[in-house]
Amino acid sequence: AQSVTQLGSHVSVSEGALVLLRCNYSSSVPPYLFWYVQYPNQGLQLLLKYTSAATLVKGINGFEAEFKKSETSFHLTKPSAHMSDAAEYFCAVSLNSGNTPLVFGKGTRLSVIA
Amino acid sequence: GAVVSQHPSRVICKSGTSVKIECRSLDFQATTMFWYRQFPKQSLMLMATSNEGSKATYEQGVEKDKFLINHASLTLSTLTVTSAHPEDSSFYICSAPLGGGGGYTFGSGTRLTVV
Repeated sequence: AQSVTQLGSHVSVSEGALVLLRCNYSSSVPPYLFWYVQYPNQGLQLLLKYTSAATLVKGINGFEAEFKKSETSFHLTKPSAHMSDAAEYFCAVSLNSGNTPLVFGKGTRLSVIA
Repeated sequence: GAVVSQHPSRVICKSGTSVKIECRSLDFQATTMFWYRQFPKQSLMLMATSNEGSKATYEQGVEKDKFLINHASLTLSTLTVTSAHPEDSSFYICSAPLGGGGGYTFGSGTRLTVV
């Protein structure tokens, strides 16, 4: 079975500072990994996904994540935080990027301080 | 892109009544739909998987008689919360796999409040 662990339920950064949201995965097979963002009372928006191609994945809104097999990690970063980045972020894993459901981490709430 | 339209976005119902939530795939055929529940400040937990033309598969601990899932066509999956109680108040989200490495698309969610 696969799972993800998000370290830190709440991360606070200053506007313009680096954003780093941590995600570690556990999977018996090569995983497909995703990062989603959720704004209050809304659905999920895909930021980026790793599907066994390039290990450095670039997503929307300036976010990127690097798949590190040796560390079983898929941390999300953004060089410079913007106020609009304040939201809940979920890391998720699936076995085959489509036919099986996503398994989500507990989420990390990102606060951006002016 | 592939869009799943979920309705209603929010609903308030009285305890003991039933509520139906619909998820429609607008520009693609969704043979599978995943239904998740999200309690406040918590993650999304898979409730069940529906497949067009067959019975839904429920996760352990989810009452199939209480959460009725129907996937009667390739573009519509519904979740009916029967005899709702305040503890059923939650955010319900549907998701369809896109296949071919395309990932998943999500509905915008339904905020259910049972009073």
